[in-house]
Amino acid sequence: AQTVTQSQPEMSVQEAETVTLSCTYDTSESDYYLFWYKQPPSRQMILVIRQEAYKQQNATENRFSVNFQKAAKSFSLKISDSQLGDAAMYFCAYRRRIQGAQKLVFGQGTRLTINP
Amino acid sequence: DAGVIQSPRHEVTEMGQEVTLRCKPISGHNSLFWYRQTMMRGLELLIYFNNNVPIDDSGMPEDRFSAKMPNASFSTLKIQPSEPRDSAVYFCASSLGFGELFFGEGSRLTVL
Repeated sequence: AQTVTQSQPEMSVQEAETVTLSCTYDTSESDYYLFWYKQPPSRQMILVIRQEAYKQQNATENRFSVNFQKAAKSFSLKISDSQLGDAAMYFCAYRRRIQGAQKLVFGQGTRLTINP
Repeated sequence: DAGVIQSPRHEVTEMGQEVTLRCKPISGHNSLFWYRQTMMRGLELLIYFNNNVPIDDSGMPEDRFSAKMPNASFSTLKIQPSEPRDSAVYFCASSLGFGELFFGEGSRLTVL
């Protein structure tokens, strides 16, 4: 069974600084997706960024970028120029890329605090 | 386009009562998921459907929980009878093929 591990229950960063959230996963599959979701206090789950395992290039979305290390099964999220609105729970997630519905497996989450 | 719509947003009920949570997935999506979120257990997958057919319900806690998807635009999650330990936020999500899931705003259930 696939598992996702986020080893940092909480992180904090000064506004405008850069922070990196860690995620590791375990799978025997070669074709899959990885995601970072953000859950602010409103509790809405918002997709931040996604990475296809077959792509070597790391995904980027504005201030958000990932460091995808497939051999090491590592998928970290870097937030540059942190803003107060980035404060939230961040979840790393894995999904197999095969026909038919496949579930999203979540990590335990990292609570990110932004200090003004 | 409308996102995933869940109702009710909040539900407070007494132990033993029946609870029904509803979900309307994004039009055109063919997969639907029910997740439960608690502080202790995080995000747990309860059940998911593909083309209205349940694929995996191994996450359903016990027989008190049931889920249906009578058509492509509607799903329900029912708890009967409810217990205080069922208190949680229940999320519905949908997707089309591969890729990301789109989540509703969740239904917060409190069982007294």
